[in-house]
Amino acid sequence: GESVGLHLPTLSVQEGDNSIINCAYSNSASDYFIWYKQESGKGPQFIIDIRSNMDKRQGQRVTVLLNKTVKHLSLQIAATQPGDSAVYFCAEDRKTSYDKVIFGPGTSLSVIP
Amino acid sequence: GAVVSQHPSRVICKSGTSVKIECRSLDFQATTMFWYRQFPKQSLMLMATSNEGSKATYEQGVEKDKFLINHASLTLSTLTVTSAHPEDSSFYICSAWYQRETQYFGPGTRLLVL
Repeated sequence: GESVGLHLPTLSVQEGDNSIINCAYSNSASDYFIWYKQESGKGPQFIIDIRSNMDKRQGQRVTVLLNKTVKHLSLQIAATQPGDSAVYFCAEDRKTSYDKVIFGPGTSLSVIP
Repeated sequence: GAVVSQHPSRVICKSGTSVKIECRSLDFQATTMFWYRQFPKQSLMLMATSNEGSKATYEQGVEKDKFLINHASLTLSTLTVTSAHPEDSSFYICSAWYQRETQYFGPGTRLLVL
């Protein structure tokens, strides 16, 4: 099976601060990227996505930045709340005949009250 | 947003038995669904692509005779873990593209093989 890495980095943030979660991708042909949030024992939940013709996209309290030159993606969460504590995955749509979505290693975000 | 369901949410079975997991798209049709496996504190690993009306496409290293996939309709894909062993214990998650725009995931099925 395909995945990107087996480590799970952690990030601890004080409640109210901004969080920045980074992700590197490997496939230059990928043109669609998604951030997912996964709480313990649940399936991934869609947060925000971005296509390769954009370098920034904003949602409610979240912003995704895409740097195609260095194949880097970041998720910024403003005013982080305890409910934001979860594992966050970036995923890329590998441009195959079935648009397979491949997940990055994930980052565990812990919000300190 | 679109809803993908899985059944059962949790299953415990004895080693050597087979277990079937269902994945349904509840309010949309999905010609293609995906099956992932996730071990504790690890990322989701794509196992296979399930195609309605045709054979599934398996990722490298995934045994197709071990993990049988059937996509019988536009809203249902099943994953059968045959002759399950303790090392097959994992969290199995399915997903489907909604209107070719966003991929939604099911809630996952926790499999424990004793």
